[in-house]
Amino acid sequence: AQRVTQPEKLLSVFKGAPVELKCNYSYSGSPELFWYVQYSRQRLQLLLRHISRESIKGFTADLNKGETSFHLKKPFAQEEDSAMYYCALSQGAQKLVFGQGTRLTINP
Amino acid sequence: EAEVAQSPRYKITEKSQAVAFWCDPISGHATLYWYRQILGQGPELLVQFQDESVVDDSQLPKDRFSAERLKGVDSTLKIQPAELGDSAMYLCASSISFSSGEQYFGPGTRLTVT
Repeated sequence: AQRVTQPEKLLSVFKGAPVELKCNYSYSGSPELFWYVQYSRQRLQLLLRHISRESIKGFTADLNKGETSFHLKKPFAQEEDSAMYYCALSQGAQKLVFGQGTRLTINP
Repeated sequence: EAEVAQSPRYKITEKSQAVAFWCDPISGHATLYWYRQILGQGPELLVQFQDESVVDDSQLPKDRFSAERLKGVDSTLKIQPAELGDSAMYLCASSISFSSGEQYFGPGTRLTVT
């Protein structure tokens, strides 16, 4: 069965420190992976997807098929990065399977 | 900027009562999704529409839940009768097409069943 695992429910780092939010998946086909983010009092929104291979708000994520991972990284955390982050896997017909989420807190 | 609309934002109901949620997707978006998000978990797909047709309702508890999108635009999700375990956030999302990959989410309806 398709599954997305985010091992950390909570992650706290200091401003300026590097951030890595972990995501592992299980999927038998060719996966399409996404990171969605929900800032306080805002809607869930797409942050980035692996096929675009772009950096959004300083975040990048590389799909590692060997390790079945799609970790989200940022070299220098900012206070406005504090949010709930969800890793998601797309199955056929763009059905999204979400992980349980990681709450990221950036301390000043 | 166009957004997905949902109403009500909050709903408190007693168990065994009926409850309904409404969603208006972004204009022109053919695909509409209903998700349930239990506290501390990620969203879980309940039903997916392509225009007015159901594409996937494999996770919809059909004995008590129903969903429709009669004219292929807005959609209603109904629970009858509500149970205590239905307390959750119900999210609606839309995407421009079946294969676009990016989904736009509404603000959600927080349901509390007492």
